[in-house]
Amino acid sequence: EVQLLESGGGLVQRGGSLRLSCEASGFIFDNFAMTWVRQAPGKGLEWVSVISVRGNNTFYADSVKGRFTISRDNSRNTLYLQMSSLRAEDTAIYYCAKAWTSVDLFFDYWGRGTLVTVSS
Amino acid sequence: SYDLTQPPSVSVSPGQTARITCSGDALPDQYAYWYLQKPGQAPILLMYKDNERPSGIPERFSGSSSGTIVTLTISGVQAEDEGDYYCQAADRSGTFPVFGGGTKLTVL
Repeated sequence: EVQLLESGGGLVQRGGSLRLSCEASGFIFDNFAMTWVRQAPGKGLEWVSVISVRGNNTFYADSVKGRFTISRDNSRNTLYLQMSSLRAEDTAIYYCAKAWTSVDLFFDYWGRGTLVTVSS
Repeated sequence: SYDLTQPPSVSVSPGQTARITCSGDALPDQYAYWYLQKPGQAPILLMYKDNERPSGIPERFSGSSSGTIVTLTISGVQAEDEGDYYCQAADRSGTFPVFGGGTKLTVL
């Protein structure tokens, strides 16, 4: 059974940093691209970042470029999102999700999410 | 930025057919995907590559594409189908995921 378990969310001050983790199990982690998607309170889904199977290709939404860094440790089956210079508008539930393949960027399994709250 | 446009809400009576649309300029050249998110839950994949159902998704869900509009059709809507439906495609470069704003389906 595929499982994705996010952690690391919490309350942080504006301008602060936070690192999210996503532990994956039930599939061959290093065969699939992985992504982070967020959802602000009462709002829709917003794609944040995606990483290739080996971690050598990363892409970001304009809203987080230069502030967030996605990475993965295939030996630990874990995806990360390092967030810095946090803003109030970064407040959201952050979901990690598994891509359909290494190249097809749609997402067949999602974690339950971890809440990040940036206080102003 | 590239936008996918969905109606904010759709209402339907049980047993009727619901149609949720998603429009975008680049959709004629791209596949679309659909997700359902129920309150307090993570999204689930409902449809991929316009009209393919993942295993476990009921046959009452179907997808279609025509020009700049893709449509998710739910035949014989059930109360459990209530939730927020999101379309997804790629941006104009065909590289990065983009989500529509979401449609809240209410079963009357």
